Amino acid sequence: KAGVTQTPRYLIKTRGQQVTLSCSPISGHRSVSWYQQTPGQGLQFLFEYFSETQRNKGNFPGRFSGRQFSNSRSEMNVSTLELGDSALYLCASSPRTGGYGYTFGSGTRLTVV
Amino acid sequence: GIQVEQSPPDLILQEGANSTLRCNFSDSVNNLQWFHQNPWGQLINLFYIPSGTKQNGRLSATTVATERYSLLYISSSQTTDSGVYFCAVEGPPTGANSKLTFGKGITLSVRP
Repeated sequence: KAGVTQTPRYLIKTRGQQVTLSCSPISGHRSVSWYQQTPGQGLQFLFEYFSETQRNKGNFPGRFSGRQFSNSRSEMNVSTLELGDSALYLCASSPRTGGYGYTFGSGTRLTVV
Repeated sequence: GIQVEQSPPDLILQEGANSTLRCNFSDSVNNLQWFHQNPWGQLINLFYIPSGTKQNGRLSATTVATERYSLLYISSSQTTDSGVYFCAVEGPPTGANSKLTFGKGITLSVRP
């Protein structure tokens, strides 16, 4: 079956702009989580959605937001981009929330100039 | 929150050698996974192993939950094993902990 699909793969944006990233989970998976990876901070949890509800949120400013649709696809949005938002954004899907294995997508590499 | 420490931070091996990668965590967990990050950034799931022992080809993993550590064994290493290995945990089981906390990773270089 198809894996976790993230689009786009690469993105270049200018400071102050906003960006929307998309994640389609494995069919049947209802939990979608987002992570940010940077050289300095490593892999950090952004938020988790399950059945269209945000279940858990990491320690990121309000410029980072997300949502989940009825088909479990998820989007994350970053507004007023800063240079420090340049990172690899990874999406993970899981059958349920908590206590189950996660499968990751290939990521979206965002560069803010 | 839960802390995850991986050791050693870097490992250089000759092709054919065996290695052990360690992950220590600070609290009880209901999920532990080992990942290999490929050169394109994707995290490839190696093992879902909150407790016990599993094997998959040349790789095996053991988690001793009561002592809060996990080990990843790589036998007869190949150059394609090179990359960064992450341990990630979810827990403790009580509370809203539906997120993975990652270690800093172990960079493995296998030389031909």
